[in-house]
Amino acid sequence: ELKVEQNPLFLSMQEGKNYTIYCNYSTTSDRLYWYRQDPGKSLESLFVLLSNGAVKQEGRLMASLDTKARLSTLHITAAVHDLSATYFCAVDIYSGNTPLVFGKGTRLSVIA
Amino acid sequence: DAGITQSPRHKVTETGTPVTLRCHQTENHRYMYWYRQDPGHGLRLIHYSYGVKDTDKGEVSDGYSVSRSKTEDFLLTLESATSSQTSVYFCAISESGGDQYFGPGTRLTVT
Repeated sequence: ELKVEQNPLFLSMQEGKNYTIYCNYSTTSDRLYWYRQDPGKSLESLFVLLSNGAVKQEGRLMASLDTKARLSTLHITAAVHDLSATYFCAVDIYSGNTPLVFGKGTRLSVIA
Repeated sequence: DAGITQSPRHKVTETGTPVTLRCHQTENHRYMYWYRQDPGHGLRLIHYSYGVKDTDKGEVSDGYSVSRSKTEDFLLTLESATSSQTSVYFCAISESGGDQYFGPGTRLTVT
């Protein structure tokens, strides 16, 4: 059974600082997704990582995938308040019709 | 944005009544999913569909049933609502079973 663990689950960080959210998973996969959810809103797709060593960047967020370590990271550079949200990773083992397995989410709060 | 809507967006119902939530898409995507989201539990998959009339159970399927008679619609039914089913329900779609696009959510309260 695929397990996906995110840490930390809660993160309070100051504006301007850097931090990394980790997503570990238990079964071989080279397909991983990151989503963002603003409070009271739905989830939106952030990054799609489809191979070992994949790196995607958008603004102050950068996601990477290391399939050998079964680890993805979401790095936040010089945080700003607008990045406050919950971030989910989801892993695809791509075996027929098996759905994505989501982590529990990391609730990020960026404070002045 | 993917064309995906959910109805109703908010509903209050009484324990023991049946409730049906609708998810409608205009993207002609093959896969559709129902999740519930509760504090401390993240997203939990209830049921999913990989084609018309093809559905399967997710992690928390007890007390829920689904139907998909057309590509564009995926219905979630709570056969006899209980207070433990108070939650926010999200529908999602996917073209190939990978990246998912989420609907706006339905907030359901069972009193």
